[in-house]
Amino acid sequence: SYVLTQPPSVSVAPGKTATITCGGINIGGRSVNWYQQQAGQAPVLVIYNDRGRPSGIPERFSGSNSGNTATLTISRVEAGDEADYYCQVWHSGSDPPYVFGTGTKVTVL
Amino acid sequence: QVQLQQSGPQLLKPSQTLSLTCAISGESVSSDSAAWNWIRQSPSRGLEWLGRTYYRSKWFNDYAVSVKSRITINPDTSKNQFSLHLNSVTPEDTAIYFCARAAGANWFDPWGQGTLVTVSS
Repeated sequence: SYVLTQPPSVSVAPGKTATITCGGINIGGRSVNWYQQQAGQAPVLVIYNDRGRPSGIPERFSGSNSGNTATLTISRVEAGDEADYYCQVWHSGSDPPYVFGTGTKVTVL
Repeated sequence: QVQLQQSGPQLLKPSQTLSLTCAISGESVSSDSAAWNWIRQSPSRGLEWLGRTYYRSKWFNDYAVSVKSRITINPDTSKNQFSLHLNSVTPEDTAIYFCARAAGANWFDPWGQGTLVTVSS
């Protein structure tokens, strides 16, 4: 099955930029989605199709994808951004075809 | 705006059957542009997609190989909801179970609130 690897944790000071990576073989050729999961809550979609932003998601959240790495960037980090973040792709040749990353805990210092 | 409301927590013994429902508001379960999914989350397995049901002139189901012999996902058009049944559970099935809608290019939005299922003798 297809594997997506994320760093377990990222720490960032308020007002700074958090960068979360998602590594996968030729992930640049796939559409990547990102979810934010706050403690005790369900995941919420924050980026779709590499860089699309759903209604209600702040412009501070942005995405990019190239080669073997997709990236979620959170600018001007706020305390409320502290959460777990997961990448996800659809891979028809994998089972399961919906693949999630290992998750990154973002801590706001 | 689509909303998903899941049934309550379950405490099961090994070999019993897990049964959950996900009630949909704001869209029909028979929508020809959506798929209705079950996903679970545990510390050992992370987020794991289990399966989906969707309608495209007729009903289709897809299941993850890891649970294919034990899982059934059914739509209920009369109640506008869908269900998950997982039989012969073991402690490894202990997890938070989420339902979620997938539309377009295969992202999940929205998700249900999650349901804790515990399997213990």
